[in-house]
Amino acid sequence: DTGVSQDPRHKITKRGQNVTFRCDPISEHNRLYWYRQTLGQGPEFLTYFQNEAQLEKSRLLSDRFSAERPKGSFSTLEIQRTEQGDSAMYLCANGGGGDYGYTFGSGTRLTVV
Amino acid sequence: GESVGLHLPTLSVQEGDNSIINCAYSNSASDYFIWYKQESGKGPQFIIDIRSNMDKRQGQRVTVLLNKTVKHLSLQIAATQPGDSAVYFCAENAGGTSYGKLTFGQGTILTVHP
Repeated sequence: DTGVSQDPRHKITKRGQNVTFRCDPISEHNRLYWYRQTLGQGPEFLTYFQNEAQLEKSRLLSDRFSAERPKGSFSTLEIQRTEQGDSAMYLCANGGGGDYGYTFGSGTRLTVV
Repeated sequence: GESVGLHLPTLSVQEGDNSIINCAYSNSASDYFIWYKQESGKGPQFIIDIRSNMDKRQGQRVTVLLNKTVKHLSLQIAATQPGDSAVYFCAENAGGTSYGKLTFGQGTILTVHP
């Protein structure tokens, strides 16, 4: 139990379809982060929220990606018109304002075929 | 751009030996560093962290050393156990406007043989 729940754990989709992932932090920290991890690489920052506000987005987050955190608790990450290059593990992490060593979920593994 | 990298992609040790995993970073503005352990199919698990005003920090069976002069970070695992087998990542945070945003290295695969 990492304290951060992600759903689904695995998703296989056809190229061009839209997908949505969900992240539920068990304890409500004001900061929530999304990362992407490809095989053999470390996680790469995508975006983060402080409460409901999305404060920073990486250049990796193209226009096809959108993230929300409507009530400052759970968050969703949507990818529209998926491409094979979107295949990766999508990780969510949360942490409090002074807690750098924040907690990651187990991730959603996306495979675009 | 700034990056964090690892010297060795793989490390094999015998159970009971001590392990040392190294990491080089290039962003001199980084003021906080974390080591994560990642097992297959799981997210990164926090092991230990260190701030730039320290050069050593110890946890349970683990020690992190920071050498800011040469921008080098290491993780020492004492009495390595088979359960320590995983991929280990170092990560850095540059603080300021990138507060909370981590830059990860590529990872080192640690294999512990019984």
